[in-house]
Amino acid sequence: EPEVTQTPSHQVTQMGQEVILRCVPISNHLYFYWYRQILGQKVEFLVSFYNNEISEKSEIFDDQFSVERPDGSNFTLKIRSTKLEDSAMYFCASRKSSGANVLTFGAGSRLTVL
Amino acid sequence: GIQVEQSPPDLILQEGANSTLRCNFSDSVNNLQWFHQNPWGQLINLFYIPSGTKQNGRLSATTVATERYSLLYISSSQTTDSGVYFCAVLTQGGSEKLVFGKGTKLTVNP
Repeated sequence: EPEVTQTPSHQVTQMGQEVILRCVPISNHLYFYWYRQILGQKVEFLVSFYNNEISEKSEIFDDQFSVERPDGSNFTLKIRSTKLEDSAMYFCASRKSSGANVLTFGAGSRLTVL
Repeated sequence: GIQVEQSPPDLILQEGANSTLRCNFSDSVNNLQWFHQNPWGQLINLFYIPSGTKQNGRLSATTVATERYSLLYISSSQTTDSGVYFCAVLTQGGSEKLVFGKGTKLTVNP
C-alpha cells in the first residue's frame, strides 16, 4: 500500500536554529498538508498546499514557517528560528484529488527544541 | 469553523470488554476518518466513513451524517487497543482540511 514517508523521525535542535522537515507524499497525490501535535494535545492543522502554492494556513503558521515543493517528490516544512514551543510531532499528509477525500498521514517527525 | 467533539475523553477497560466511542460534529462534512494513535505517536487510519457502517475485524464504525455523529465500536478489547482514538472531519466548501477532535484515550488493562 502506498505510504507517505517523513524524515527525520526525530530531531533535536537548539532554540534559534533552522529546521527542515521532509515528506515524500504518495506519488499521484495532488494535495499536501502539514499538521502539528504538541505532546498530549490534539492534532492541529498548519497548512495545505496545492498546485505549487499554499491553499490555506492556520494562525499557527506564522512568518517563521514556510513550505516548499522543490522537486516532483519532496514536500518540506521549514522553521526558520525554532522556539521551545515548536517542540511537537509534525505530520505530513497527502490526498489524491478534490473528489478523493481520504487523507493519508505519514508516521510523523518528532521535533525537540532545547 | 466546524467543531468536533469526542466522548468520553478517557476510558479504562478490562481486556475482553466492549466499548463505544462517540464523535459529534457541528456541520455537514465530506469525509470522516477514525484514527488510532499508537504509543509511538503514529496515526493509523482505521476507517474512512462519511456515512453508513463499516467493519474491520473487532472494530466497526457507523456515521449518521444527517444527525452529525459517528460511533466507533471496539469489541473484545485487547491491551494492544490502548492509545488515543481520534475522529477527524473534512469540511465542505472552499476549505478542504481535516479538523480533529481532542481524542479519546483508551486504556485496556490485562
